[in-house]
Amino acid sequence: AQKVTQAQTEISVVEKEDVTLDCVYETRDTTYYLFWYKQPPSGELVFLIRRNSFDEQNEISGRYSWNFQKSTSSFNFTITASQVVDSAVYFCALSLFYNTDKLIFGTGTRLQVFP
Amino acid sequence: EADIYQTPRYLVIGTGKKITLECSQTMGHDKMYWYQQDPGMELHLIHYSYGVNSTEKGDLSSESTVSRIRTEHFPLTLESARPSHTSQYLCASSEQGLEGYTFGSGTRLTVV
Repeated sequence: AQKVTQAQTEISVVEKEDVTLDCVYETRDTTYYLFWYKQPPSGELVFLIRRNSFDEQNEISGRYSWNFQKSTSSFNFTITASQVVDSAVYFCALSLFYNTDKLIFGTGTRLQVFP
Repeated sequence: EADIYQTPRYLVIGTGKKITLECSQTMGHDKMYWYQQDPGMELHLIHYSYGVNSTEKGDLSSESTVSRIRTEHFPLTLESARPSHTSQYLCASSEQGLEGYTFGSGTRLTVV
């Protein structure tokens, strides 16, 4: 069975702090995809990144960076110099190669950034 | 500007009422999905469609039904709403799945 665990339910930081959101996944498949989505207070989920299981290179996009480690089945997300606009719920998700239509979501981490 | 639209944004209705949640997308995506998001934030797939006249049930059993008569339109219907249906319903679409879904803003439903 596949599963995504986001153990941090809620994180609060002060602006400009760095923050890491943890994501641990479970699957026996060797080919899969990992995603991060952001859900701001407006409600929609915004796609942030997709990673396939063969690409363990870390990725950086502005203040966002992602650390994918197959050895620990983790796909962590770091926001550097956080801003109030980063306040949102962040979801990690998994899909399998043979069933890319089905996203398995974690329970989400609510990030609050205070000024 | 959103390419996938959900209406209404908020809805409060009485028990036993029939309701339809609308979802439309302008991207020409074949694949569309409905997710239910409970107050604890967890997202569950309740319906999906691969194209016109195709509908499938998702992982979470739901008393709702869906239809896909047009590519751009994927409405969800509850024949008789109950308080247990109180939730946020998110519609999404994708072209190939791999590129991630595009989500609508959701409908927050409260059944009293």
